[in-house]
Formats: sequence, structure tokens, C-alpha cells
Amino acid sequence: DAGITQSPRHKVTETGTPVTLRCHQTENHRYMYWYRQDPGHGLRLIHYSYGVKDTDKGEVSDGYSVSRSKTEDFLLTLESATSSQTSVYFCAGASSGGARTGELFFGEGSRLTVL
Amino acid sequence: SQQGEEDPQALSIQEGENATMNCSYKTSINNLQWYRQNSGRGLVHLILIRSNEREKHSGRLRVTLDTSKKSSSLLITASRAADTASYFCARLRGGSYIPTFGRGTSLIVHP
Repeated sequence: DAGITQSPRHKVTETGTPVTLRCHQTENHRYMYWYRQDPGHGLRLIHYSYGVKDTDKGEVSDGYSVSRSKTEDFLLTLESATSSQTSVYFCAGASSGGARTGELFFGEGSRLTVL
Repeated sequence: SQQGEEDPQALSIQEGENATMNCSYKTSINNLQWYRQNSGRGLVHLILIRSNEREKHSGRLRVTLDTSKKSSSLLITASRAADTASYFCARLRGGSYIPTFGRGTSLIVHP
């Protein structure tokens, strides 16, 4: 969905470096999510947000933090990247109604490689 | 984990054939969605079925839900090469805003 853009789309970094992935949306979604996608695991939730400055942990939140200072932006930070965090990261958004039914709109993904 | 399973993991068919994918889950749900993901792209929502519905149609898509068996199926009729993608089911429990995704079925439709 063109309403959700992720940056960068590709990044290669070294173990121990900090990394921030940005998700920007123009749809006024109240709910935003960060998932990671790995072979054999499907999509797993890292963190989600239910409003500005309101965030909560997901299934695989260790090593990740998020911030949402305004409706449009949801940042995912890896404080000290590890090779196990090599993955494709997806941001998604949903309106209040969409979140109640599980209808999410996804960005195109950010492929992160940690060497 | 309440993560369920899609079955089969991979499916290869010829254009014009029907494709059936199944999704099983473990806990009670409020509704279930099916998503599609083309290679290298984000997921796109296809269809929603609520827990009080047994069947829904959308174009060439037919989704069924059997809450007693905790399972759902997605049928794509008259498949086309453009249907080649991965298909995921996502479950949502009542009161939750967090869809839980399965591992997906990879569908290849040969022209």
C-alpha cells in the first residue's frame, strides 16, 4: 500500500552497530505494527503501537525498541545489532476498525543484513 | 504460541486448476483473514471471514471457516500464473488488535 513507506529498503550493517528502521504512513492509521519475517517462522510481531507514545511488546521484542512521537512515524531501533536480527522487517498500519477485524496495510519491507 | 499452521507449505499447479490452501489454529478466534504476498513485496489483505460466518466469496476466491475444527480454507478457482505468491492466514482473538500469522503456503501456478 502506497500509504505506508519504509526506509531504508535495504541495509547491511555490522554486529554491534545501532540501526533504526523508519515507517511513515499517510493514512492516519491509529495502530501500527512491526513484524519480522524469517523462513520457517512466518511473520512474528516485534512491537506495536495503539496511539502516539503508546506502544507495547510483541512476541519477539528482545533487542528491539520502538518510538512513536507522532501519528505518521513509527521507528524500530536495534540498539546493538546481532546476526540473529538479520531478517526482513515489515511495518503495518490499521485504523481502529481495521485493527478490530485484523485488516492491516503493509509496507514493502526493509531487508536488514547483520554481518 | 497461538500460531497455527498453513497446509501445504508449498503447492505447484497448472494454470486453470484450482488451488486449495488450509489453515489450522489452536485458540478461539473472533475472525480470520487471508493475505497474499508476492515475492519481495509486502502483504496484501484478501478477505476477512468472521467467526459467525461459514463461507465467503470474493471473485475467484472462496474462503470457508469451521470453528468446531479450528480450521479455514482458501480456494482459488481457475488459477492464473499471476496468482503465484505466498498466502497467509491471520487469526484475531476477541478483544485483541494483534493478528497472528501462520507460516504461509507458497503457490506456484505454471502457465
